[in-house]
Amino acid sequence: NAGVTQTPKFQVLKTGQSMTLQCAQDMNHNSMYWYRQDPGMGLRLIYYSASEGTTDKGEVPNGYNVSRLNKREFSLRLESAAPSQTSVYFCASIFNYGYTFGSGTRLTVV
Amino acid sequence: RKEVEQDPGPFNVPEGATVAFNCTYSNSASQSFFWYRQDCRKEPKLLMSVYSSGNEDGRFTAQLNRASQYISLLIRDSKLSDSATYLCVVNSDNYGQNFVFGPGTRLSVLP
Repeated sequence: NAGVTQTPKFQVLKTGQSMTLQCAQDMNHNSMYWYRQDPGMGLRLIYYSASEGTTDKGEVPNGYNVSRLNKREFSLRLESAAPSQTSVYFCASIFNYGYTFGSGTRLTVV
Repeated sequence: RKEVEQDPGPFNVPEGATVAFNCTYSNSASQSFFWYRQDCRKEPKLLMSVYSSGNEDGRFTAQLNRASQYISLLIRDSKLSDSATYLCVVNSDNYGQNFVFGPGTRLSVLP
C-alpha cells in the first residue's frame, strides 16, 4: 500500500550510542518531516526537507542530524543518544495540505 | 504563549452525547486549519480540514472563528470508536511554512 514506511518500530539504546531511523515514502511527495511526540507536548518538528537535496532545522533539532538521500528517503540520526531523546518519532510527507505519517518509532534511551 | 493550544481533557462522555473541542492559535496570519485524530499508540490521521465557512462531514462539524482565533470540532451522536486524541493543526510562518500541532484533546466515549 502507498504510504510512509518507518523502521524500526521499537528501539532501546544506551546513553551515548548512535542510531539511524529510516523513512521512505512512495507517494512522490517533495516535502518530508521528522517529528517527535512527548506526553503533553504534542508533535514537535525536528527537521524537514522541502525537496530532494535540501534540509532545514525545525523547532527541536539539537542532538539530531538528517539526510535526504533521494526523493523517497529521509533518515534521522542520533549521534550520541541521551535519555532526553526518549520519545516517539514520526516521519511524515505532505502533498498540498495533508500529512501522511509513518507508524512511528518508539525509542527509549537508558 | 504556545502557538496552538487545546484543552487537554480528558473528555469522558456517554455514547450518543454531543461533544465539542476548541483550539486557539496565536498567529493571526494562519490560513490553513485541520483536525487530526490519533488513536492510542498510532500515528495521527487527517480527520478534516477547516474552512472559513465551516464544514460538516457526517457527525463531525468544524468551525473557524478568525476574529477570536479559534477553531472548533463538534462530534454528534458519539460512538465508542470516536475515542481518541484530537489534534488541532495550524499552518505557521516558522520553519518554511510548516504546520504546528496542538497538544491534543483526549476523548473517551463510554458505553
